[in-house]
This record gives sequence, structure tokens and C-alpha cells, in this order.
Amino acid sequence: ETGVTQSPTHLIKTRGQQVTLRCSSQSGHNTVSWYQQALGQGPQFIFQYYREEENGRGNFPPRFSGLQFPNYSSELNVNALELDDSALYLCASSLAGNLKGYNEQFFGPGTRLTVL
Amino acid sequence: QKEVEQDPGPLSVPEGAIVSLNCTYSNSAFQYFMWYRQYSRKGPELLMYTYSSGNKEDGRFTAQVDKSSKYISLFIRDSQPSDSATYLCATDKAAGNKLTFGGGTRVLVKP
Repeated sequence: ETGVTQSPTHLIKTRGQQVTLRCSSQSGHNTVSWYQQALGQGPQFIFQYYREEENGRGNFPPRFSGLQFPNYSSELNVNALELDDSALYLCASSLAGNLKGYNEQFFGPGTRLTVL
Repeated sequence: QKEVEQDPGPLSVPEGAIVSLNCTYSNSAFQYFMWYRQYSRKGPELLMYTYSSGNKEDGRFTAQVDKSSKYISLFIRDSQPSDSATYLCATDKAAGNKLTFGGGTRVLVKP
């Protein structure tokens, strides 16, 4: 069973640029959530995708957008990068809708984004 | 004020000691409570989750939730140097995995 993978590992961009981060879900999972973790802070929920539709969003501006593909992999896009966007971006996958109550969410290792 | 507050530490303990971690939260709608462990340069991994109030034990780990005081605790018995990590509490209003995290507590277990 393959775990959650993310690419790239590290990325350096300049202010105003656009970035795309990628995530492959754990096998069999249909839900992907994205989190932003600033240095020394806990992760903050950005949004979640379930079966290719956005299924909830945290307090992030519209320049943060996402996609989920039929194979349940996902992308996070950030436009007009700002210095404060520098953070570790975490992707997490889970299996929703199987009526088992709580379903564990598995995190990937993250993409470290630095905005200069 | 953040919805989930957690002392950032660092918390330094000798090997074999009990590690006591806690969080407070403000939103009474939270029903699920989790503890994650995060090693440096890794994603968080789930240690335990609890639904509503009560205690839950798993090996050396015990999680407690007191919804009346909005207080979450994690105890690690017989701590090991390999327990050195950042511990994150997290909450959810439903079992939907849209988590609200605390800021994390760094723990260092010294041999």
C-alpha cells in the first residue's frame, strides 16, 4: 500500500509568481485535504476535495485554489504569491462515506515553499 | 484568540518520565479530538482520537477529553528519546477531517 506522496519537496518562488503543488492520495482514499503549516505553528486547514468537488474551505483567500482528479490525486495552486505564503504545505488523504464513523487522515511529508 | 490553544514548550523531560501535554479550545461544536506526533521534516501522524468526553488508552499513551471545561490532555508514560517530537492537538466538528490544530508542543526526552 503506497502512502501519501507530495511533490516537489522544496520550492523557491518570488513574490507575485504562481505555484502548483501536487499530491498523490493513499491507495483507496477518495478525500484530500490541504493544510498550511507556518514555521513553529500548527497546520491550518485550507480546503478539502471529495470526489473531485470542493467540500469545505478554511479562512484562505480565493488565490488559493485546488483540483482533484478522477484518480483522487490533487493539486494546490497559489496565485500572486506573498511573503507570508512561505510555509510547509501538507496534503492528507482519507476515505469518506463508508459509514465507519471516524476515518483516519494520513498526511504526506509536505512541500516546503519559500517566497522571496 | 485562536480556537485551539497549546503551550509551545519546549518541554524537556528525562527518559522514563511521564510527559503531560494539554490543549484548551473555545468552540463547543467540536466533537472529535485528536493527538498527532510530528517529527522534524515529516508530516503529522495520528496517535489517538477520542469522540466526545472521556479517556482512551493505547499502550503508553492516554488521551483525556473534558468537554465541560474544553480541555484536552495527552499523557505519555515511560517516555523514550524516540518520543522527542512536536505534539499537535486537533479538533473536528464532525468526522469530516477538516481539522483545527493547536500550535504544537515541542517535547525533548533526554537519555
